[in-house]
Amino acid sequence: EAQVTQNPRYLITVTGKKLTVTCSQNMNHEYMSWYRQDPGLGLRQIYYSMNVEVTDKGDVPEGYKVSRKEKRNFPLILESPSPNQTSLYFCASSPTTAGLYNEQFFGPGTRLTVL
Amino acid sequence: QQPVQSPQAVILREGEDAVINCSSSKALYSVHWYRQKHGEAPVFLMILLKGGEQKGHEKISASFNEKKQQSSLYLTASQLSYSGTYFCGTEKNFGNEKLTFGTGTRLTIIP
Repeated sequence: EAQVTQNPRYLITVTGKKLTVTCSQNMNHEYMSWYRQDPGLGLRQIYYSMNVEVTDKGDVPEGYKVSRKEKRNFPLILESPSPNQTSLYFCASSPTTAGLYNEQFFGPGTRLTVL
Repeated sequence: QQPVQSPQAVILREGEDAVINCSSSKALYSVHWYRQKHGEAPVFLMILLKGGEQKGHEKISASFNEKKQQSSLYLTASQLSYSGTYFCGTEKNFGNEKLTFGTGTRLTIIP
C-alpha cells in the first residue's frame, strides 16, 4: 500500500531532551516536507526537500533540523525541544521534480508534547 | 506571510452551496487546496496554476484570479461528507517549492 508513515504517533517528552520523528514513504517521491499544525494557525511548513541531500527552510524552521540521506526517509530532529514546539506534526511527500505541481500525500501525524 | 482565508467558519444544510476564498498580498504561481477531517491528515483537492491549468478532483471546482492573487473553492450541493477544515496553500514562484498555508475554513454540513 502506498503510504507515508510517521513514528512515533504520540510522544511526551521534557524540555531539552533530543528527539527524532521519523518519516518514510514508499512511493519513490522526490519531494518531502514537514509541517506543524497549531490551533488557529493552520499548517506551517518547517522544512522541505526536493531530493536526496537537498533541503531548504520553510516558514518556521527555528529549533528544527532535517536530513535527507535516502530518498524514502526524511527525519525531523529537535535537538533541544521547548514547550513552544508542542504541536501536531505532519510529514508529506509528492512526486514533484520541479515546482509543486502534484498533490502532496500526508502521513498520519505525530502529536508531540514538550513539558 | 500566510494567505487569508474567508470565511473562517460556515455552517450549511445539506444541498446548499458554499464558496471559500483565499487571498494573498503577494503575486502567486500556484494555489493548492486541501481538506482535513477532524483527527485525520489533510487530503488533496486541487491545484491551480498561473496561466489557467488545473489539477484535481472532478467534483470540486475552483478559480484563480492571478491579477488579484485570489482563489475561490466552490462546493455545490454540499453533502455531509464535505464537512471539515479547508486549507489553501500558496506558492510564490515556479520552482520555489515552498508552500504557505492559510489558517483554514471550518465547514460544517448539517442534515
